[in-house]
Amino acid sequence: DQQVKQNSPSLSVQEGRISILNCDYTNSMFDYFLWYKKYPAEGPTFLISISSIKDKNEDGRFTVFLNKSAKHLSLHIVPSQPGDSAVYFCAASANFGNEKLTFGTGTRLTIIP
Amino acid sequence: NAGVMQNPRHLVRRRGQEARLRCSPMKGHSHVYWYRQLPEEGLKFMVYLQKENIIDESGMPKERFSAEFPKEGPSILRIQQVVRGDSAAYFCASSPDRRETQYFGPGTRLLVL
Repeated sequence: DQQVKQNSPSLSVQEGRISILNCDYTNSMFDYFLWYKKYPAEGPTFLISISSIKDKNEDGRFTVFLNKSAKHLSLHIVPSQPGDSAVYFCAASANFGNEKLTFGTGTRLTIIP
Repeated sequence: NAGVMQNPRHLVRRRGQEARLRCSPMKGHSHVYWYRQLPEEGLKFMVYLQKENIIDESGMPKERFSAEFPKEGPSILRIQQVVRGDSAAYFCASSPDRRETQYFGPGTRLLVL
């Protein structure tokens, strides 16, 4: 039962363009969402988060959008840089807490120079 | 400020042996979480601990797995009588409070022969 889904296993984007990574969830109890970035042989690194009381959160080149009615969120990276090449995981939790994160299966982003 | 430390980074065990994975949280963090990542999958929550207490172990297999976070020293994830299906990357995360962002360690890659 995959409660958080990332349907695109991979994505390739030209350097300087916008990268858009998508995530869907099925559990209506989720109210806090996070994006993590992961390089090979390393642990996930926190990027940005959003609570369900907002529909957008921005931090530098990273913006997360939340559409609660569609149970969909997306991460926008602009402009994309070669160092952004990594696997991106969407995660969700309930009760505005951070414990027990439920992760998607990840999207491998490749930035083409 | 050192990040979350995990050791060993790689661990090889034969079937039936015990595996002990250690996690030292970031300084000032008293909340520890363990996740497991099987090949080509996302991270799956296993257990959430505070100092000397297990808060949520709903993701832990009922047998052979145990976790502790003593008053002094690192958190330990213990797997008894390992089987090949236990081969995975095990990640530890820590946070200063349950509502704060979880920061991940580099993981321990367990291989069961």
